[in-house]
Amino acid sequence: SQELEQSPQSLIVQEGKNLTINCTSSKTLYGLYWYKQKYGEGLIFLMMLQKGGEEKSHEKITAKLDEKKQQSSLHITASQPSHAGIYLCGADMGNTDKLIFGTGTRLQVFP
Amino acid sequence: DAGVTQSPTHLIKTRGQQVTLRCSPKSGHDTVSWYQQALGQGPQFIFQYYEEEERQRGNFPDRFSGHQFPNYSSELNVNALLLGDSALYLCASSWTGPEETQYFGPGTRLLVL
Repeated sequence: SQELEQSPQSLIVQEGKNLTINCTSSKTLYGLYWYKQKYGEGLIFLMMLQKGGEEKSHEKITAKLDEKKQQSSLHITASQPSHAGIYLCGADMGNTDKLIFGTGTRLQVFP
Repeated sequence: DAGVTQSPTHLIKTRGQQVTLRCSPKSGHDTVSWYQQALGQGPQFIFQYYEEEERQRGNFPDRFSGHQFPNYSSELNVNALLLGDSALYLCASSWTGPEETQYFGPGTRLLVL
C-alpha cells in the first residue's frame, strides 16, 4: 500500500478554472513538500509545510497542511497552461530527511 | 548560482553492464540523496550521503552503491544491470540545517536493453 496517497491521479481543466490536489498520509508528517515535474525532467520545489495548520502561497498556488499534519492540499487559482505538469507531494515521515513520494497528479490545462 | 547538476542526461546500457551516474550539489549544500523514478511513479529513495558516508538507505539491493567526494559531489553506481533498472535517476541536494529542503537535479534517464 502507498504510504502517501495523492488524488486525483489526473486532472484536465480549462484555463482560468481553480483546482485542488490532495495528499493524504496515515501517519503524522514531519514535513510536507510539494514539487512540480515536467515530463521526464527534474522536480521543481514549490513549497514546504512543517507546522499543523500552516498555509503558504506563491503566485497563484496555495498549499495547506491540516492540524493533524496528515493531509495537505495544493490549490491553484485561475489556472494557466504554464501550470501543466505533474505535481508530487513528498513527505518526511520520521524526521529522517528521507522523502517518501506520492504517485503524482498529472495536470493538463487547455485554452 | 548553479543548481544541482547531473551527468549524463541519457544513457543506454545492456543487461549485466555497470553504470556510474554523477551529481554536483547546489552551492552551499553538503548532503546528497539519490532517487529512482520509474515511469508513472513517484521517486523512490535509494540512499543519502553526508560527510562522505552513506547516512541512510532505502529498500534497494547492494547492486546500488554510491560515493560522496570531499567537494560534496556524488556518484551512483549500479552493477549487473537489470531491465527493471530502467528509470529516471534523480539527485537531490540539501543543507543539514533547520529547513532541509531538497533541491533536485534534471535527472539521468537510464535505459537498459
